[in-house]
Amino acid sequence: KNEVEQSPQNLTAQEGEFITINCSYSVGISALHWLQQHPGGGIVSLFMLSSGKKKHGRLIATINIQEKHSSLHITASHPRDSAVYICAVRTYNTDKLIFGTGTRLQVFP
Amino acid sequence: DSGVTQTPKHLITATGQRVTLRCSPRSGDLSVYWYQQSLDQGLQFLIQYYNGEERAKGNILERFSAQQFPDLHSELNLSSLELGDSALYFCASSDRETRGLNSPLHFGNGTRLTVT
Repeated sequence: KNEVEQSPQNLTAQEGEFITINCSYSVGISALHWLQQHPGGGIVSLFMLSSGKKKHGRLIATINIQEKHSSLHITASHPRDSAVYICAVRTYNTDKLIFGTGTRLQVFP
Repeated sequence: DSGVTQTPKHLITATGQRVTLRCSPRSGDLSVYWYQQSLDQGLQFLIQYYNGEERAKGNILERFSAQQFPDLHSELNLSSLELGDSALYFCASSDRETRGLNSPLHFGNGTRLTVT
């Protein structure tokens, strides 16, 4: 079993829909990262969370440390949100990141 | 623009060869991380340097080595290349050696290595 699991693996949506991507992990962590990887390959760091909730524009990330679970929400989705979203956890007291396998999102007009 | 520069963008080489990938971190960032993204393995942490010193090692093969220079740029050397080494190699930087403290990561655009 992978230490970081994401669901779903693939997601399609119509423009305007509310999107949720889930991440569960089994190790002790000091932080959780949500990353976005566009078809060109570049990676952008969206959020870094250690507790609670963060919001940036139409993106919201939450984390529940007790349940070892995080969600990434996209409100009013748009075709430009189409990308692979990757959850990564920083294990406690190290700088190593363990990555989930990613969720491929396609938003159609 | 993350401020992290990776060169070259693309590299095509033959099995058995040696290549060097270069990374210039964001201005002021002392930590550099290398990651490999292959189709079958996803993203994996290779190695981290902080201010010129190796700080953490992940799933890095013995055929691979890295270093960070006094000007803080880093190079990842891949030798005796095999077909399975074909992957995207990412560099990221952060502004401190975190060790449990949390600092955002800034990723470069990656180097796509194709071994034929």
